[in-house]
Amino acid sequence: DQQVKQNSPSLSVQEGRISILNCDYTNSMFDYFLWYKKYPAEGPTFLISISSIKDKNEDGRFTVFLNKSAKHLSLHIVPSQPGDSAVYFCAASRRNRDDKIIFGKGTRLHILP
Amino acid sequence: KAGVTQTPRYLIKTRGQQVTLSCSPISGHRSVSWYQQTPGQGLQFLFEYFSETQRNKGNFPGRFSGRQFSNSRSEMNVSTLELGDSALYLCASSLNFAGVDNEQFFGPGTRLTVL
Repeated sequence: DQQVKQNSPSLSVQEGRISILNCDYTNSMFDYFLWYKKYPAEGPTFLISISSIKDKNEDGRFTVFLNKSAKHLSLHIVPSQPGDSAVYFCAASRRNRDDKIIFGKGTRLHILP
Repeated sequence: KAGVTQTPRYLIKTRGQQVTLSCSPISGHRSVSWYQQTPGQGLQFLFEYFSETQRNKGNFPGRFSGRQFSNSRSEMNVSTLELGDSALYLCASSLNFAGVDNEQFFGPGTRLTVL
């Protein structure tokens, strides 16, 4: 049972435009959400996170939005750059329990020139 | 500061064999977690070791096992390999328990191919 779902396996976006990557979760106990970025032949690297007490967190070109009622979060990248081409993993956990982090299947983002 | 290292980087085995993968965490990190990445399932948690003890375990059969040594280095073993075990195996280390307050740093992975 996939508790964290990324329903789009891939996404293509023109350079300079906004990239929006979506993620849904089923476990209402999750209270912390993370995004990781992965280049080929490298391990994932942490990108940005958000606590369930917030609905938005911004870091430079990256913004994560959380809609708790819909159990949905999204990562916005503005403007998209060629170096953003990678696989993006959404992940979730329960902060107070120090539970393991559950990852989604990933979305491959292609930034087109 | 050196990152997480994994050896070997690539491995080819045949069905029925067993394999051992190695992970050296960042110096000072006490937690090592293992993940399996496949195209169909994404990143799936295998287990976490902290101070030589398995702290958390994912939903994998008993053919998958691991251990951690006193220097925090960890090994993962898969016995009786199946074709479906072909995957990228990632190791991640963190200072303390792997969790949202302790960022995990991933190694480059070991690509295992089972023929």
